[in-house]
Amino acid sequence: EVQLVESGGGLVKPGGSLRLSCAASGFTFSSYSMNWVRQAPGKGLEWVSSISSSSSYIYYADSVKGRFTISRDNAKNSLYLQMNSLRAEDTAVYYCARVEVYDAFDIWGQGTMVTVSS
Amino acid sequence: QSVLTQPPSVSGAPGQRVTISCTGSSSNIGAGYDVHWYQQLPGTAPKLLIYGNSNRPSGVPDRFSGSKSGTSASLAITGLQAEDEADYYCQSYDSSLSAFYVFGTGTKVTVL
Repeated sequence: EVQLVESGGGLVKPGGSLRLSCAASGFTFSSYSMNWVRQAPGKGLEWVSSISSSSSYIYYADSVKGRFTISRDNAKNSLYLQMNSLRAEDTAVYYCARVEVYDAFDIWGQGTMVTVSS
Repeated sequence: QSVLTQPPSVSGAPGQRVTISCTGSSSNIGAGYDVHWYQQLPGTAPKLLIYGNSNRPSGVPDRFSGSKSGTSASLAITGLQAEDEADYYCQSYDSSLSAFYVFGTGTKVTVL
C-alpha cells in the first residue's frame, strides 16, 4: 500500500524549533518530488516547501523562507522539515505529499499538528 | 496568501449539479499551467480529485469533472450526493518569484 506517515508535531514555544518527519512506503520514494503543505485551524491549504527527487531543487514559500529547511534521505525513504524560529502563525496541521507527473499532489499523509504557543 | 480565488461556499439538493470556479492570473492558470482539484472531508487529509485540468484518478466517480479556460478553471459535481459534502480546493503552479505551488481559497459544498 502506498503510504505517507508524518510524525514529530507537538507544542512548542514561540522562537523554538521542531523537526517533522514523513515516512514513505509502498513506492519508489527516490523517484518522486515531495512537498510539505500546511493548514491552519479552520483555514485553507498553504504550500510550504518542495524538494526534487535528488534534492537538487528546493523551494520555499515566502512565509517560511530562511526559517524552515526541507530535506530527504532516499536511503531511509524519509522526508523532513526542520522548523526554526517558530511563530504563532506557524500553528497548523502539516501534511507531506507526493508530486506526480502532472505536478498534482497524488498521495497525502494523515498530517501532524504543530502548535506554537507560550 | 492564496492567489487562486474560489467562492467560499456552494450548495445544492441531492441529485443537482453544482460548479466551483477557480480564478487565477497570467502567472498561473493563464500561463497554461495545469489545474488540479482536491476534496477534503471533515477531519481528513485532502484527496486528489482531478488532475491535469480534467483527468480523474482511478476510483473517483465520473460525477466529478474539471475544465479550464483562460485564467480560470471549474469543477462540476453532477448528481450531488450527501457524501460529497466537503471542502474543495484547486491548485496550480505559479511562475512568479513569490510562489511556486499555489492553492485556491477553498469552497465548502453543502448538500441541502
